[in-house]
Parts: sequence; structure tokens; C-alpha cells
Amino acid sequence: AQSVSQHNHHVILSEAASLELGCNYSYGGTVNLFWYVQYPGQHLQLLLKYFSGDPLVKGIKGFEAEFIKSKFSFNLRKPSVQWSDTAEYFCAVNAHGGNKLVFGAGTILRVKS
Amino acid sequence: DTAVSQTPKYLVTQMGNDKSIKCEQNLGHDTMYWYKQDSKKFLKIMFSYNNKELIINETVPNRFSPKSPDKAHLNLHINSLELGDSAVYFCASSDGLAGTDTQYFGPGTRLTVL
Repeated sequence: AQSVSQHNHHVILSEAASLELGCNYSYGGTVNLFWYVQYPGQHLQLLLKYFSGDPLVKGIKGFEAEFIKSKFSFNLRKPSVQWSDTAEYFCAVNAHGGNKLVFGAGTILRVKS
Repeated sequence: DTAVSQTPKYLVTQMGNDKSIKCEQNLGHDTMYWYKQDSKKFLKIMFSYNNKELIINETVPNRFSPKSPDKAHLNLHINSLELGDSAVYFCASSDGLAGTDTQYFGPGTRLTVL
């Protein structure tokens, strides 16, 4: 069965620090990869997704993620975080041929101003 | 205008009761989902419907019964509630069934079974 691991459950950063959130998945076939974000008091929403092409994908609000197939990873990055990036971030994987998303447990990011 | 809405937002009930959670989407999407977020924060798919037809039915106890009266609504009825049913339940929708489709989520319903 597919599984998704997010290595850090809580991350605390100061504004302007760089961010990298780890995500690894266990599925061996072709996958679609997603990062979703839930800001305080808001719905879960898509940050970015990868399904083919350039393994470096850019999303909203300056976020990007890199798909490294050999490492089964899809890490999320942002060069300089802002206080407004405080949120919970979820990595999710979908195997080609299905519409079932498998989520990681989430990483809570707190940015100190 | 809320895209995916759920009611109620909070639900506190006793063991053994029957309860329903409602979900509506105004995005014109064909596919809707129910997820359960357990105490460890994993969101796990329970069901998905496409144009009112059941597509995904994970290994969920048959006390859980989804109902889709039309493609804009997917309700979740739970019979004989148990303590382990306490969780946050999220509804979502997507345009189609493609694995690349973005899913749009509701605000969640926090169910507490006492």
C-alpha cells in the first residue's frame, strides 16, 4: 500500500529564513504529487502539484517543490518565509490510474515575526 | 461564495447515536469525496462518488453510508456511533476522476463521540 512520510511534524522559523519540508512516498510506480496547505481558519487548498515534465514545480506564494524519482521524494521549499506562511502543510500522492490521494501526517510551520 | 461547504462544523454526540454530515459544492464538479482525519492527522480517503456513482469505497465499516442525491451533494450518515469515530471529517470535490485533478476541500466537521 502507498504511504507518505513527512519527516518534521513541527517547524519553527524566523521570518526570512529558508524553508525545506521533507516528503517521501513508498509507491514504486508512476505518481502524481501534491502539496496542500491549510492556513489558520481556512480550508485545505492546493499549493502546487507535479504530474510530468520539469521535476521542479512552482506554486503559489513563492513555493516550489522538486520531484526526485530516485529518492521517492517531493520536498517543498521556499527561499524566504513570511509570517503569513504560518500554516499546516500536507504532502499527498496519487498513483496513476486512480483518483485516490494518500496524505502524509502534515507539518505545522510557525513563522516568528 | 463558499466552494465546498459542510454542516455542521462541530458535532458532539453519545455513543450509539446515528448522525449525518452534509456536504455541498457549487463548483460544478463531477466528483466528490469523504476523508477522515484521525488523531495522528493523516487524512484517509473513505469514499468517492462521480456523478452520483460510488467509485471508491475504502475498508470503512458499513455503519458509514454515503448518499449522493445529486452531483453537488454528498452526505455521510453514520449509524451506531463509536468512540473511535471521533475525528475530523473532510468533504472534497474535483472536476473529474483524473489523478492530476485538484481536489477542493470543505472546512471539516469535528465529530466527538462521548
